[in-house]
Amino acid sequence: DIQMTQSPSSLSASVGDRVTITCRASQSISTYLNWYQQKPGKAPNLLIYAGSSLQSGVSPRFSGSGSGTDFTLTISSLQPEDSATYYCQQTYSTPPWTFGQGTKVEIK
Amino acid sequence: QVQLVQSGAEVKKPGASVKVSCKASGYSFTNYDIHWVRQATGQGLEWMGWMNPNSANTGYAQKFQGRVTMAITRNTSIGTAYMELSSLTSEDTAMYYCARGYSSTWYGNYFDSWGQGTLVTVSS
Repeated sequence: DIQMTQSPSSLSASVGDRVTITCRASQSISTYLNWYQQKPGKAPNLLIYAGSSLQSGVSPRFSGSGSGTDFTLTISSLQPEDSATYYCQQTYSTPPWTFGQGTKVEIK
Repeated sequence: QVQLVQSGAEVKKPGASVKVSCKASGYSFTNYDIHWVRQATGQGLEWMGWMNPNSANTGYAQKFQGRVTMAITRNTSIGTAYMELSSLTSEDTAMYYCARGYSSTWYGNYFDSWGQGTLVTVSS
């Protein structure tokens, strides 16, 4: 199975900061990488698919980049409502489609 | 609008089985896969398996092979997906989510709509 490793596991930043979360795959996954946001007590919500495509209705302050094994989710200007846990997921080739362990983002 | 509505919370004894339902509406049920993902309290997301409502093909994570069964019932564009997990232990206590899976050669696969979750508690 392909392993996904996110860093950092948690971070604290101020409103307006630029925030970057990294996701690394154990083997090349092309751009088959998705990002989800999960708020406490809620189901995950798709932010980015195929590495860099913004899901409809998602704020453009979220962006994704990368290919192969290294990917990045960037929040250009952190807002209070962005406090959540973020997960990457690979969907390369056949299942299982594994998730990273998550990155918890807190507002200072 | 797309909606996935799951059945209510369950409490089960060790060794029992649980069956969770996921009622889909607002889209053509047979055009999208249904995936199941679970999350233990305070932990990350764990993909369990998927089902194609059109072909009834399924695929399960190796960890759950032999213990999980996924099925569907459908009536034109409205359908319900089911996930049954047997031989429950305390390690199966978790929130279980269904999710709609979009699939394309260009964009790969992603889960663009999720159910609200069903809490399954396994306790003696």
